[in-house]
Amino acid sequence: QQQVKQSPQSLIVQKGGISIINCAYENTAFDYFPWYQQFPGKGPALLIAIRPDVSEKKEGRFTISFNKSAKQFSLHIMDSQPGDSATYFCAASTTGNQFYFGTGTSLTVIP
Amino acid sequence: DAGITQSPRHKVTETGTPVTLRCHQTENHRYMYWYRQDPGHGLRLIHYSYGVKDTDKGEVSDGYSVSRSKTEDFLLTLESATSSQTSVYFCAIRKTGANTGELFFGEGSRLTVL
Repeated sequence: QQQVKQSPQSLIVQKGGISIINCAYENTAFDYFPWYQQFPGKGPALLIAIRPDVSEKKEGRFTISFNKSAKQFSLHIMDSQPGDSATYFCAASTTGNQFYFGTGTSLTVIP
Repeated sequence: DAGITQSPRHKVTETGTPVTLRCHQTENHRYMYWYRQDPGHGLRLIHYSYGVKDTDKGEVSDGYSVSRSKTEDFLLTLESATSSQTSVYFCAIRKTGANTGELFFGEGSRLTVL
């Protein structure tokens, strides 16, 4: 059973547009929600993360919105650039050791 | 750069043969993980370790074993490889301290089982 559900599977956005990727979870024990970015042939790399005590976190063009009551969180990429084309994974973990990942979203930004 | 090296980076093997993947870290972090990445499934945890000789199963541990005899090395073994184990395998470490939730991944090991 997928602990973290991610959508869409793929996304095509025009340069300058906004990319939005959504994730949902069930386990209310999760207390850390990171997003990872992965380029072809490379390992995933942490992009931005949030803890449930805040509803939004922004780092440059990347924003996480977190809705604790709905058990949903999303990644917004503002002013999307071709260099943002990659696969994005959401994840969730507890203070313990296990991280659960979504199935990934392949983002293509068209020039 | 989190100082993670995976080897081999690519391997082709035949069904039924044993395979060992190695993950080496240079920073002496306590927590190490093995994930597999497959289309449509994302990253799934196979096994993880929280210290020398301390390991535990993840969500897809069947057919895999691990060992950690030294802090810096975490080995993943497929005792008898099957075609369903064709995948890209990633090792990760978790740094403790200020950002206790951050995982750092290696470059991956692509395994093909014929």
